[in-house]
Amino acid sequence: EVQLVESGGGLIQPGGSLRLSCAASGFTVSYNSMAWVRQAPGKGLEWLSIIYSGGGTFYADSVKGRFIISRDNSKNTLYLQMNSLRVEDTAVYYCATDQQLMNWGQGTLVTVSS
Amino acid sequence: QLVLTQSPSASASLGASVKLTCTLTSGHNTYAIAWHQQQPGRGPRFLMKVDNDGRHTKGDGIPDRFSGSSSGAERYLTISNVQSEDEADYYCQSWGTGVHGVFGGGTKLTVL
Repeated sequence: EVQLVESGGGLIQPGGSLRLSCAASGFTVSYNSMAWVRQAPGKGLEWLSIIYSGGGTFYADSVKGRFIISRDNSKNTLYLQMNSLRVEDTAVYYCATDQQLMNWGQGTLVTVSS
Repeated sequence: QLVLTQSPSASASLGASVKLTCTLTSGHNTYAIAWHQQQPGRGPRFLMKVDNDGRHTKGDGIPDRFSGSSSGAERYLTISNVQSEDEADYYCQSWGTGVHGVFGGGTKLTVL
């Protein structure tokens, strides 16, 4: 059974950094595309980033240059390094598998506030 | 640039059918989409992938009441025999050549 468990969220001041983790089980992260999606309070879903099985990475314009997606094959874990955080980055962050986001984690809340 | 357009809201009576629409911008008629459901207070759940030829591939455990179809630049999600638990937000999402991921604005379905 595919399972995704996000962690690493919390309260952070504007300008700070945070690293989110997405621990996967039931499949091999490096064999699949993996994505990050977020949802600001009361808003819709926003696609953020993807890492392909071949290692290529792509980002939404809203996070390009600030966020970095990566994976650790030995830990079967996906990461999202978030730098220069802004108040508008406050959201629940989800990891998901494949381009069509077939499997989702439960999400982790990031709150950017002074 | 690919933009997905959804009506903000829809409603259906208990036991009736409802058809939700996701419209792709011109020039992207061949793109597949995915439908995701988000029930109140919960995370999103993958429902199905809908190809441009109308074929749809559902996720594990998705009831037969949910089906997908396609016509031109429009992709549809039809829910038959609507149940109270179908009251949720429904998002379409796509990807393709030069597009790595994008969501529609979502449709809030109210069950009457």
